[in-house]
Amino acid sequence: DIVMTQSPDSLAVSLGERATVNCKSSQSVFYSSNNKNFLAWYQQKPGQPPKLLIYWASTRESGVPDRFSGSGSGTDFTLTISSLQTEDVAVYYCQQYYSTPLTFGGGTKVEIK
Amino acid sequence: EVHLVESGGGLVKPGGSLRLSCVVSGFTFSNAWMTWVRQAPGKGLEWVGHIKSETDGGTTDYAAPVKDRFIISRDDSKNTLSLEMNSLKTEDTAVYYCTPEIPWFDPWGQGTLVTVSS
Repeated sequence: DIVMTQSPDSLAVSLGERATVNCKSSQSVFYSSNNKNFLAWYQQKPGQPPKLLIYWASTRESGVPDRFSGSGSGTDFTLTISSLQTEDVAVYYCQQYYSTPLTFGGGTKVEIK
Repeated sequence: EVHLVESGGGLVKPGGSLRLSCVVSGFTFSNAWMTWVRQAPGKGLEWVGHIKSETDGGTTDYAAPVKDRFIISRDDSKNTLSLEMNSLKTEDTAVYYCTPEIPWFDPWGQGTLVTVSS
C-alpha cells in the first residue's frame, strides 16, 4: 500500500500570507507512460464534504481560485495557497490514485493567525 | 449539474448489518467507476472501496479493514450505487460518502452517518 504522509498537521498563517502544505508518498506515484503524477488535493470545510482542488498534482480544477497551486513529482508534493483568505480555512488532504488501495494523507488544518 | 445523494445511514448494534444507497444524476452513471469513502468523527478520509463500470468488468476492490464484510454493487438502470455492510464494528462508525472515480474523486455527496454502538 502507498502511504501518504502530510506535514504539518496544522498551520496558522496571517491573512494574505502564503500557506504551504506538504505531502510525501511512500513510493512514486509518477506514471511514465503518460508522464503524469497520480495525485490530487482536496479541501474540506467544517460540516461539508471534500471538494476537489487539484489533480495530476498541478492541474487546477475549474472554478478553483488561482491562489491555489500544486507542485512536485515522484514522491514529494506541495499545495500552496499564495495569499490566504478567510474562506480558505479548512482541512486539506492529498490523495494518490496510482494504485489500489487508494489512499489519503492524514490532512492538514489551515487556520488564520 | 451532478448530484449524489446518499441514504440508509443510522444506528446499528455491533455485529449488525446496514445497506447504504447513493442515487446519482447529471452524468452517465453506467460509464463511471464509483467509490465509497468514509470519515470517522473528527478523523481523516479513508477509501472504502470501488466498483468499476460494467464496460470495464464491473469488478470491485476493497480496503483491508472492510474486505469480506462490505459489498459494493451497482444498478445502472436506477443510477444507484449500494454499499452492503455486514458484521459491523464500532470502528466502522463514520460518515460514508459516494463519489465518481475519475480517477480523482469529484464531486462528492453530502454523506450519510453510520453509527455502530450497543
